Amino acid sequence: EIVMTQSPDTLSVSPGERATLSCRASQSVSSNLAWYQQKPGQAPRLLISGGSTRATGIPARFSGSGSGTEFTLTISSLQSEDFAVYYCQQYISWPPLTFGGGTKVEVK
Amino acid sequence: QLQLQESGPGLVKPSETLSLTCSVSGDSIRSANYFWGWIRQPPGKGLEWIGNIYYTGTTYYNPSLESRVTMSVDTSQNHFSLRLSSVTASDTGVYYCARSNNAGWFVSWGQGTLVTVSS
Repeated sequence: EIVMTQSPDTLSVSPGERATLSCRASQSVSSNLAWYQQKPGQAPRLLISGGSTRATGIPARFSGSGSGTEFTLTISSLQSEDFAVYYCQQYISWPPLTFGGGTKVEVK
Repeated sequence: QLQLQESGPGLVKPSETLSLTCSVSGDSIRSANYFWGWIRQPPGKGLEWIGNIYYTGTTYYNPSLESRVTMSVDTSQNHFSLRLSSVTASDTGVYYCARSNNAGWFVSWGQGTLVTVSS
């Protein structure tokens, strides 16, 4: 099973600032990585697949980078609606599909 | 527009079987190149993949739950189902149904349904 580890657990950021979230895989997943955003009481929403390809309708301020075992999700200028929990997920080798533990982005 | 809606009991007794159904609208469950899946989330915790099913009935389960999980699909009703047996309090959480592509990432999600395991 590929274990996904996200850091930090919580990120405190002021609106308008940049947020950088990390995701590490226990073994290479190449570019087979997705990012999701989840707001309280809502289902997760796909942001990025293939490590860096934004899903339909996702604003350009969200960008993904990395390959192999190290990945980054960057939110270039945080808007109020971006405060949420973010999860990474690998899909190179399944079952099982595995998610990271999540990073909560909160208002500083 | 694809919509998924979970349904089933919100309260299940310990040792019994949790049963949920996901109704699909806006597209056929027979659509090629898609899997239909279940993901759960304990209160205040992260996401755990339970399993995926193809419209032909081919299933892939999380090994950690495989001994207790059964997924099925009903193409005539355009829905798919989850059964989780011998539940305990640790099975409490929000259960989501979702559609993934063949690669395995999830584009479309249901709103989720809270299932509590308690006597």
